[in-house]
Amino acid sequence: GALVYQYPRRTICKSGTSMRMECQAVGFQATSVAWYRQSPQKTFELIALSTVNSAIKYEQNFTQEKFPISHPNLSFSSMTVLNAYLEDRGLYLCGAGDWGNTGQLYFGEGSKLTVL
Amino acid sequence: GDSVTQTEGLVTLTEGLPVMLNCTYQSTYSPFLFWYVQHLNEAPKLLLKSFTDNKRPEHQGFHATLHKSSSSFHLQKSSAQLSDSALYYCALSLSSNTNKVVFGTGTRLQVLP
Repeated sequence: GALVYQYPRRTICKSGTSMRMECQAVGFQATSVAWYRQSPQKTFELIALSTVNSAIKYEQNFTQEKFPISHPNLSFSSMTVLNAYLEDRGLYLCGAGDWGNTGQLYFGEGSKLTVL
Repeated sequence: GDSVTQTEGLVTLTEGLPVMLNCTYQSTYSPFLFWYVQHLNEAPKLLLKSFTDNKRPEHQGFHATLHKSSSSFHLQKSSAQLSDSALYYCALSLSSNTNKVVFGTGTRLQVLP
């Protein structure tokens, strides 16, 4: 079946430092990878959508300078949270899809970021 | 823009009663609709996905019907179980080339004995 592994599961970092998280797709081709943030008491905010061989599209309020993303092949993606501050805390989810016409996403377990 | 609305933040009901969680959407295109379920400390998992041929998707006793006339995709189950307690997110995926999934704010379902 289709699985997505995401790591690290949890990170505690000091304010102003950075955190890198990785996403591995198994059993399907991750043509597109979407990175979301689930802040406390909030829904999933889309940070950016990356499609192989296309430019990465960032949503409003999120920038490449703050959340650089790499999507080098059909099974792997990474995202870094640079200069993390309190407002960056939350659960970061990687959703990968082999789109076709279905649009379904397979999610990893998430990387929980705590900023001190 | 494209959006999903879930009007209920919390739904509490007794085991054995029917469940209905509301979901409406706005989209310029004809999107695919999804329901994802997230149990405590777990990743969200796909529960249901709309079909293009008007079939009614069903899984684990849950079902949902896409009504384009009312832009709705309400989630239903005839009899709630304690294990159904979780967060439920309605989401849409555009049929266009943007391949973007937009989530609603989620509804917490709490099933009591």
